Amino acid sequence: SQQGEEDPQALSIQEGENATMNCSYKTSINNLQWYRQNSGRGLVHLILIRSNEREKHSGRLRVTLDTSKKSSSLLITASRAADTASYFCATEPPLTQGGSEKLVFGKGTKLTVNP
Amino acid sequence: DAGVTQSPTHLIKTRGQQVTLRCSPISGHKSVSWYQQVLGQGPQFIFQYYEKEERGRGNFPDRFSARQFPNYSSELNVNALLLGDSALYLCASSFFGARQFFGPGTRLTVL
Repeated sequence: SQQGEEDPQALSIQEGENATMNCSYKTSINNLQWYRQNSGRGLVHLILIRSNEREKHSGRLRVTLDTSKKSSSLLITASRAADTASYFCATEPPLTQGGSEKLVFGKGTKLTVNP
Repeated sequence: DAGVTQSPTHLIKTRGQQVTLRCSPISGHKSVSWYQQVLGQGPQFIFQYYEKEERGRGNFPDRFSARQFPNYSSELNVNALLLGDSALYLCASSFFGARQFFGPGTRLTVL
């Protein structure tokens, strides 16, 4: 089953605008990660934020995490046509002895950046 | 360095058949995980193997099985294929407890 729920399901913006995607999850986590996927191909890791972190930056990406609300947001600034892709949040539960490090993905946000 | 590789890229099977998908992890990675991604959905966890032992299994029927070899490569087997097994199958590798790196996937179509 999917844990995360991304919002919105689809987003269309113009080049140069900012894009914000939100993710909500249900259970406690070790970390939360954002991935990008182009046209049903492999997943590209964008950024990882740990449960004890509140904000993280990487280039044009800014991720926030609010564990009290069980939510995260991904902001892409100054978007480009090449940013057109599906974006997924994935949560990793706390690693327990003998446990797995499975990622639980949401359904994704489909971002279209128009030139 | 080569990333995670998967073979084949595409596969077409008919209902009832069996399929084997293969994954080679990044050199030095001992953990391999498998995910199924149905069109329009996010990936769903199927298995994780670490040091050739199963460390986790998702909510999939016994028709799905996997194994990991001494060189840490892995195979995913699906028996008695159903139309609903049509999906992109993704493999990911990692140093256990660290970030997972995904391969390009195998697109399976069941007719």
